[in-house]
Amino acid sequence: KQEVTQIPAALSVPEGENLVLNCSFTDSAIYNLQWFRQDPGKGLTSLLLIQSSQREQTSGRLNASLDKSSGRSTLYIAASQPGDSATYLCAVLNPGNTGKLIFGQGTTLQVKP
Amino acid sequence: DGGITQSPKYLFRKEGQNVTLSCEQNLNHDAMYWYRQDPGQGLRLIYYSQIVNDFQKGDIAEGYSVSREKKESFPLTVTSAQKNPTAFYLCASSMLGQGASPLHFGNGTRLTVT
Repeated sequence: KQEVTQIPAALSVPEGENLVLNCSFTDSAIYNLQWFRQDPGKGLTSLLLIQSSQREQTSGRLNASLDKSSGRSTLYIAASQPGDSATYLCAVLNPGNTGKLIFGQGTTLQVKP
Repeated sequence: DGGITQSPKYLFRKEGQNVTLSCEQNLNHDAMYWYRQDPGQGLRLIYYSQIVNDFQKGDIAEGYSVSREKKESFPLTVTSAQKNPTAFYLCASSMLGQGASPLHFGNGTRLTVT
């Protein structure tokens, strides 16, 4: 059974710092991996989607990498800003489970001015 | 603008009452999903539907029911049989086909049962 883990559960950094959020999964036979952002009391916003055949995806200051063989993905945030403060969740899609994502518990990020 | 609308944002009910959460999308997505989120836990799938008039149980379907009479709508009923209904409920949708479509979420309904 696929399990997704995100460590740490919470992270606090000063503004301007580059940071890395981690996501690990137990079954490497994934179809894709998605990173989401969730603001308090809100729904999730899709940030990046990496197909199993890809190594990384970039959007602005965000870069997500995928290493299927080791069951790991990282979300790199460059030059962090207070507006980046939110909970970041990763989720994997296994083959055959169309749309049925398996989520990690999230990392809550606080960027201090 | 296309998106997913969940209503109401907050819902309060007495124990023993059924309650229905609304979810509407105008993204022309085939698939729709209901997730439950509890503090300190990841999202857990309740039900999903890939086509009108068809739906499948997720990991925690007990005490819940859904319908998919229209492509745009996927309401969730929390029944009195659900033992711990107080939670944040999120509806989502996506295109089908090779898993290439990211999931789009509504802004959620926070249900409190006392």
